[in-house]
Amino acid sequence: AQKVTQAQTEISVVEKEDVTLDCVYETRDTTYYLFWYKQPPSGELVFLIRRNSFDEQNEISGRYSWNFQKSTSSFNFTITASQVVDSAVYFCALSGGYNNDMRFGAGTRLTVKP
Amino acid sequence: DTGVSQDPRHKITKRGQNVTFRCDPISEHNRLYWYRQTLGQGPEFLTYFQNEAQLEKSRLLSDRFSAERPKGSFSTLEIQRTEQGDSAMYLCASSAALTPNTEAFFGQGTRLTVV
Repeated sequence: AQKVTQAQTEISVVEKEDVTLDCVYETRDTTYYLFWYKQPPSGELVFLIRRNSFDEQNEISGRYSWNFQKSTSSFNFTITASQVVDSAVYFCALSGGYNNDMRFGAGTRLTVKP
Repeated sequence: DTGVSQDPRHKITKRGQNVTFRCDPISEHNRLYWYRQTLGQGPEFLTYFQNEAQLEKSRLLSDRFSAERPKGSFSTLEIQRTEQGDSAMYLCASSAALTPNTEAFFGQGTRLTVV
């Protein structure tokens, strides 16, 4: 069975603080893919990143960085120097095999206050 | 057209009525997905198509739900005899099946309220 757990339901930070969103996953597949999506108040899910299970290299994109650790089945997302526009619900998702049916976590609502 | 388009954006219907939603994917994408999202939860997979073939259906998709993608382009999701529990956001996504598990791009969703 595949499962994604985002234990942090809500996080509130003040602008310019760094914040890390946790994601823990379970899967029996040896090949799988992990994703992060952002859902702003407008409702549309915005793709942020995809990683495959064979690539544990951490990735940085501007203020965003991702830490993938297979040993702890985690794929955490850090926003550096947060901004008010980062306020949104962030979802971690997992898919395995070829069918592409992503399994989403329950999401973490991030509020960045000015 | 640069994104996934869904219509309508909002639908209010009386319990027992049938509703139909439409999704137009990104034009070069041959994979199309339907998800359902309830308040405070992540999207839940319902079904997906590769071209016109419906390849997988979740057990969440009861016999009151049917989805089609007749020409491998747009798709429709119909819910018959709606129930209050069907109230949710219905999301459509598309992807290009170039490599396994290519990222999916989502539309803005259709919010269904059953009264």
